[in-house]
Amino acid sequence: GAGVSQSPRYKVAKRGQDVALRCDPISGHVSLFWYQQALGQGPEFLTYFQNEAQLDKSGLPSDRFFAERPEGSVSTLKIQRTQQEDSAVYLCASSFERNRAISGNTIYFGEGSWLTVV
Amino acid sequence: KQEVTQIPAALSVPEGENLVLNCSFTDSAIYNLQWFRQDPGKGLTSLLLIQSSQREQTSGRLNASLDKSSGRSTLYIAASQPGDSATYLCAVPSGGYQKVTFGTGTKLQVIP
Repeated sequence: GAGVSQSPRYKVAKRGQDVALRCDPISGHVSLFWYQQALGQGPEFLTYFQNEAQLDKSGLPSDRFFAERPEGSVSTLKIQRTQQEDSAVYLCASSFERNRAISGNTIYFGEGSWLTVV
Repeated sequence: KQEVTQIPAALSVPEGENLVLNCSFTDSAIYNLQWFRQDPGKGLTSLLLIQSSQREQTSGRLNASLDKSSGRSTLYIAASQPGDSATYLCAVPSGGYQKVTFGTGTKLQVIP
């Protein structure tokens, strides 16, 4: 596609509910990132994929968070048993670069999935 | 751990003014620095990327400079317009090529 596409754009979940957020990166982009952005803050790194391999998941805040990219294109971020502190915008980004994601090539962000846990 | 700070947190200027946004980072061993723009309810749009070997980059009315040794970058916006109103974020690689640390942003309002 023309850009990074994320769905749903908005999600309201009851506390304890599981949610799944989808990211369609730009076609051919090797690198894919998930970031979490709380209100009034900059994005915080969650996890990074190079094709289907999850090379870095050090930013995932708890074991309730799980991400996958099984075929090296579409990625899903899953949050189990959502808590109110999970309320944030979840941003997906992709880059053509293989392992120097931001050193030479621009990374492209989607518009985010806005999660509110009530 | 890389920490990125942006000053000011918010800025309001009349249309036509030139302005400077500041970004500082604690670990100067960076490969590059990138400035993004974020409009309300939207994702991030890349504005400028400066490699560590460069001192500045220009795109239209935007000019970004980088001083690695002092851990600082500035984004200069010339002849500001109401359409420039947005949050501006700087970002640097942190702990590896793929992990990026963002500042908290400067929210700019340009008044017509």
